[in-house]
Amino acid sequence: DVKVTQSSRYLVKRTGEKVFLECVQDMDHENMFWYRQDPGLGLRLIYFSYDVKMKEKGDIPEGYSVSREKKERFSLILESASTNQTSMYLCASSFSDRVEYGYTFGSGTRLTVV
Amino acid sequence: GNSVTQMEGPVTLSEEAFLTINCTYTATGYPSLFWYVQYPGEGLQLLLKATKADDKGSNKGFEATYRKETTSFHLEKGSVQVSDSAVYFCARMNFGNEKLTFGTGTRLTIIP
Repeated sequence: DVKVTQSSRYLVKRTGEKVFLECVQDMDHENMFWYRQDPGLGLRLIYFSYDVKMKEKGDIPEGYSVSREKKERFSLILESASTNQTSMYLCASSFSDRVEYGYTFGSGTRLTVV
Repeated sequence: GNSVTQMEGPVTLSEEAFLTINCTYTATGYPSLFWYVQYPGEGLQLLLKATKADDKGSNKGFEATYRKETTSFHLEKGSVQVSDSAVYFCARMNFGNEKLTFGTGTRLTIIP
C-alpha cells in the first residue's frame, strides 16, 4: 500500500528549540508539500518542493525552513520553535504530471510548543 | 486571488438524512476542484474531483458537480451514515500550478 509517512504522531517541544519534522513517501512522487492545519483556518501551505534540492515558499513560510536532499524525503524545520507554531502539520506528495490524481497525505504530526 | 469558500460547520445530521456542504471558488484561471475527507486521527484522503465545467465527481455515494455559472462545487449525498462523520475540505488547483488551495473545512457529525 502506497503511503506518506510522518515520523512522529505527537511532539512536545520547548520554546526556542530547533524542531525537525520528517516526511517520507514511497510513491516516487516529484512534488512534496508541508501544510499546517488550524481550526477555522483550514490547511495553509508552508513550503513545497518540485524536485530534489528545490524548494519554494508557500503562503506562510515565516519561521520555517525545509530540506529535500533525497526524492523521497522532505523535512520541515522550525529554527526556533514558538508557541504560535503549535499546530497539526501535514505532509503531502503528488506526481508532477498527473495532478488530477490529487495529493496523498500523511497522518499528521501534532506539535505542541510549551 | 485563488480562494475557496465553504460553509461553516459543524453540521449535525441524523442517519439517512440528505447532505449538502456548499463550496464556492473565485473564478480565476481554470481550476480543477476537489473534495477531501479527513476521518478522526487521520490525514486527508481524496474523495472526488472534477477538472472542467459540468463534470460530476462521485465516490462512496457522494457527488459534486462543477458549476461554472455559479462558481460552485457543492458536495451532496442522498443518505448519510454514521461512518461519514469526518471533516470535509473543498479545494482547488489551477491549471499549470500544482498547489492545492483549501477551504476551512466543515465538520460533519452523523447521529444514529
